[in-house]
Amino acid sequence: SYVLTQPPSVSVAPGQTASITCGGNNIGSKSVHWYEQKPGQAPVQVVYDDNARPSGIPERFSGSNSGNTATLTISRVEAGDEAVYYCQVWDGSSDLAVVFGGGTKLTVL
Amino acid sequence: QITLKESGPALVKPTQTLTLTCTFSGFSLSTSAVGVGWIRQPPGKALEWVTLIYWNDDKRYNPSLKNRLTITKDTSKNQVVLTMTDMAPVDTATYFCAHKRVYSSSFDYWGQGTLVTVSS
Repeated sequence: SYVLTQPPSVSVAPGQTASITCGGNNIGSKSVHWYEQKPGQAPVQVVYDDNARPSGIPERFSGSNSGNTATLTISRVEAGDEAVYYCQVWDGSSDLAVVFGGGTKLTVL
Repeated sequence: QITLKESGPALVKPTQTLTLTCTFSGFSLSTSAVGVGWIRQPPGKALEWVTLIYWNDDKRYNPSLKNRLTITKDTSKNQVVLTMTDMAPVDTATYFCAHKRVYSSSFDYWGQGTLVTVSS
């Protein structure tokens, strides 16, 4: 089954740019989606279909996807961005249709 | 405005069957391309996809759980029901239901989740 690999943690100072990666075999051929989850809350979609932003999500959130790595980029990081971020893909070639990454804890220093 | 809410027992005993209901509003599961999924999250761990049902009754199951799962829909009640048999302590998790974004493989609206503990 398809595997998505995320770094366990990323740290960034306020106002800087955070990049969270999601690795997978030829992930560039798939649509990648990103979710933000704060403690005790349900996940919130922040990017879908590689680089589309849902309504209400700040332009500071953007995504890219190429080769074996997809990336969520958060510009001008704020304290409120501290959360766990998950990537997700659809693997149509497998019975495991929906795959999530292991999550990355973003710490704002 | 799309909303979803999970309901069901907070505690089940090992070997028992879990039944969770997702009650939703703001969309219809009889509309083409609409889907509702279940995703679970053990305490302190990552999200894990469980199952998905589409407007046309097409169903997908996580193969590691497939033999224990049943997902059904009741379009008249705007509900999706998840049944998981032979529950074990490792199934302790928060269970979320979520609306699958139309013409995308992502989930755009999530319920608040319900914590299910499996313990004797």
